[in-house]
Amino acid sequence: QQQVRQSPQSLTVWEGGTTVLTCSYEDSTFNYFPWYQQFPGEGPALLISILSVSDKKEDGRFTTFFNKREKKLSLHIIDSQPGDSATYFCAASASSGSWQLIFGSGTQLTVMP
Amino acid sequence: GPKVLQIPSHQIIDMGQMVTLNCDPVSNHLYFYWYKQILGQQMEFLVNFYNGKVMEKSKLFKDQFSVERPDGSYFTLKIQPTALEDSAVYFCASSWEGDNTEVFFGKGTRLTVV
Repeated sequence: QQQVRQSPQSLTVWEGGTTVLTCSYEDSTFNYFPWYQQFPGEGPALLISILSVSDKKEDGRFTTFFNKREKKLSLHIIDSQPGDSATYFCAASASSGSWQLIFGSGTQLTVMP
Repeated sequence: GPKVLQIPSHQIIDMGQMVTLNCDPVSNHLYFYWYKQILGQQMEFLVNFYNGKVMEKSKLFKDQFSVERPDGSYFTLKIQPTALEDSAVYFCASSWEGDNTEVFFGKGTRLTVV
């Protein structure tokens, strides 16, 4: 079944803290997992992505982890900043002739100064 | 970075009327998409379009929906006739490739059907 579950729905962290967002999925054909960041009034923008052949990808303060056996992925933001306050979506797709992204329900992150 | 432009940003239309949402994808991209997001819910795939053809569509892409991209012009989503449940934000997106590649999204068109 094509579904991506995301938690938590909302999260508040203090500036300088670590943010952890998680997603799980069921379709074992999914092999590409992007994370999108969306600010109010804007479209989603790609933050970081990972392929199922990897278990970790890092880009600055952002790291995504992938656990194929458990069908889970997570996004870690270290040294969280007020400017990171946004809605974060995980997504998944399968390179089997289907190019659609299946999105999670999103996490609204607030970083307090 | 590359921009996907959507026109208009807001549209209010009477139920039963036709509406056309316009999208100017990133210039060298080949794959085009529409997604629908109802307020407070996740973004859902509607359709993708490549080489002048619909390649894939979801069950949300009703018979009243159509897409096209005449040469050199906008990639459009047309809804005819509109229904109340069509009220949502519609995001256009484009990408250079189909698989495992960055998809660029526009800011969305907020459609309100009254």
